Amino acid sequence: QSALTQPASVSGSPGQSITISCTGTSSDVGSYNLVSWYQQHPGKAPKLMIYEGSKRPSGVSNRFSGSKSGNTASLTISGLQAEDEADYYCCSYAGSSTFWVFGGGTKLTVL
Amino acid sequence: EVQLVESGGGLVQPGRSLRLSCAASGFTFDDYAMHWVRQAPGKGLEWVSGISWNSGSIGYADSVKGRFTISRDNAKNSLYLQMNSLRAEDTALYYCAKGMDMWTLRPFDYWGQGTLVTVSS
Repeated sequence: QSALTQPASVSGSPGQSITISCTGTSSDVGSYNLVSWYQQHPGKAPKLMIYEGSKRPSGVSNRFSGSKSGNTASLTISGLQAEDEADYYCCSYAGSSTFWVFGGGTKLTVL
Repeated sequence: EVQLVESGGGLVQPGRSLRLSCAASGFTFDDYAMHWVRQAPGKGLEWVSGISWNSGSIGYADSVKGRFTISRDNAKNSLYLQMNSLRAEDTALYYCAKGMDMWTLRPFDYWGQGTLVTVSS
């Protein structure tokens, strides 16, 4: 099972919107509406931001949104804030043997 | 408050074994699937293994299949990872993560702080 493909880095200015893509295959992203996104600040544990493609856990800002088209999922952060600067990982269910596969991660820089 | 506390990491020689533990509290442990996720130094996240609430559904990443064994003891609110035939590439911070419900196809809503495993001679 190969890792999902994410851009290594993205950047944006405060107040702007950015989108991070996550490309998989028909065996993972394309087969299930079970993509989740995690935010990780340096030295901290990951935090769930989006699950099942577009749902937000309680307490997560509505500035974070998710979508999917075919084998590619996307995370959009609107109204960028300094505290959004972090690494972001997508993760997709991949079936009943190897349950989950992560993307390589994207470093978001808020300029 | 959900708490997940990993232990058992350390320095181990290639080919040897190590057993990680995760002590859970603040929720009804046997109602939820659990997972191990690792992160090599300076690298991304890698799902390692997951187990359903009743141990009826278990899965492994291809990179650890046949060497690692996940288990749980619901009476002790604990999750384990037995790691055999360790390799240098297994060096990572190992996180314990809670699933959103009893099945392994739900994502991970709480994470521990991790335990560091270093495989080196």
